[in-house]
Order: sequence, then structure tokens, then C-alpha cells
Amino acid sequence: AQKVTQAQTEISVVEKEDVTLDCVYETRDTTYYLFWYKQPPSGELVFLIRRNSFDEQNEISGRYSWNFQKSTSSFNFTITASQVVDSAVYFCALSDGNNQGGKLIFGQGTELSVKP
Amino acid sequence: DAGVTQSPTHLIKTRGQQVTLRCSPISGHKSVSWYQQVLGQGPQFIFQYYEKEERGRGNFPDRFSARQFPNYSSELNVNALLLGDSALYLCASSTTGDRAEAFFGQGTRLTVV
Repeated sequence: AQKVTQAQTEISVVEKEDVTLDCVYETRDTTYYLFWYKQPPSGELVFLIRRNSFDEQNEISGRYSWNFQKSTSSFNFTITASQVVDSAVYFCALSDGNNQGGKLIFGQGTELSVKP
Repeated sequence: DAGVTQSPTHLIKTRGQQVTLRCSPISGHKSVSWYQQVLGQGPQFIFQYYEKEERGRGNFPDRFSARQFPNYSSELNVNALLLGDSALYLCASSTTGDRAEAFFGQGTRLTVV
């Protein structure tokens, strides 16, 4: 069975600090997809990144970076120099190779609070 | 281009009633999925439809049903509402293939009283 674990339920940092959100996944599939979403108080899930299981290259997008390690089944998300606007709930999600983006298994989410 | 749109945004229903939620996917997206998000938890997969056929179903009772129309829009129906059905219902549309991405609507917040 597929499973996503986000062990950190809440994280609080002060603006400009770096913060890493952890994500550990379980799957028996050899082909799968990993996602990160941001959910602000408005409720809409905002797509941040998708990573394929056969592409372990880390990715950086502005202040955001992602570290994908198949050996430890982890897909961690780091925000550099955090800002108040980064405050939200962040979800990690997993999809198998057949469903691609159609059936996502979500973790419980990590609520990030960035204080000025 | 318009994103995923859902209607209504908020809804209050009484126990035992039936409700229909609507979703219009991004133009060109043929896959629509529905999720239920209870307060404080991650979204739970309910259904996926692709090309008007059910592709997958989550662990939800038969009171939940859905369909997809020729224009790829979709409806989620819930019969005999229970208090526990109160949640944010999210619709996602996605492409397929190795570069598949799933984009979500703003959700319908259903309150059952």
C-alpha cells in the first residue's frame, strides 16, 4: 500500500530563517510521482512541484528547493530565507505510475508559521 | 486560461439530504479527481474519472457517486448526508503522461447540520 508521512505537524520560525519540511513515502511501485502542494487559509491547493521516481536530480526554484532521495524514500522541501507569506499548510503527495496525477495519496500536512 | 472551477463555494445541508457538487477542469484536461478534506487532515481520494469512465475509487461508501460529462466537467453526488460528511471537497484536473500535473480548484465547503 502507498503511504506518505509528514512527521512534523507544526513548525514555527522567524522570518529569514531557513526551514525544511520532511516527507517520507512508502510504495512498491518502481515508477511513481511525488508532489508538494501549498494550502493557504483560502483552502485552494497550490501546485509547487512534481518529481518522477526515475529523476533524482534535486531542484531549486527561487527560495524553494527539493531533495529527493530514493535510498531513504524521502522528498524533503526547504524554504530559504522564509517570509511571512510562506505561512500555510504544506502537503506532500504520492501517485503511482498508472495514475500519474490522477490519484494522489497525501500526507497529513505540515503547518508552517513564519513570524515577522 | 481559467483554472479549475468548483461550485458552489459553500453549502449547508441537513442530515439525510442529498448534495451535488460541480467541477469544471482546465481546458484540455481530460482527467478529473475528487478529494475530501476533513479539518486538520490531508485530502482523501474519492474518485478519478478519465474520458468519462471511472478510473479509480477510494475507500468511501456507496452514498458517494460521481460522473463525468462529454465536456470533461464532473459532478460529485453524496446521498443520505451524515454529520461526518462535513468537509472541504476538492476537485483536481490533470494531464496524463510522464509530465502529469494535478491542479486543484478552490473547493466546496460542505457543512452538514
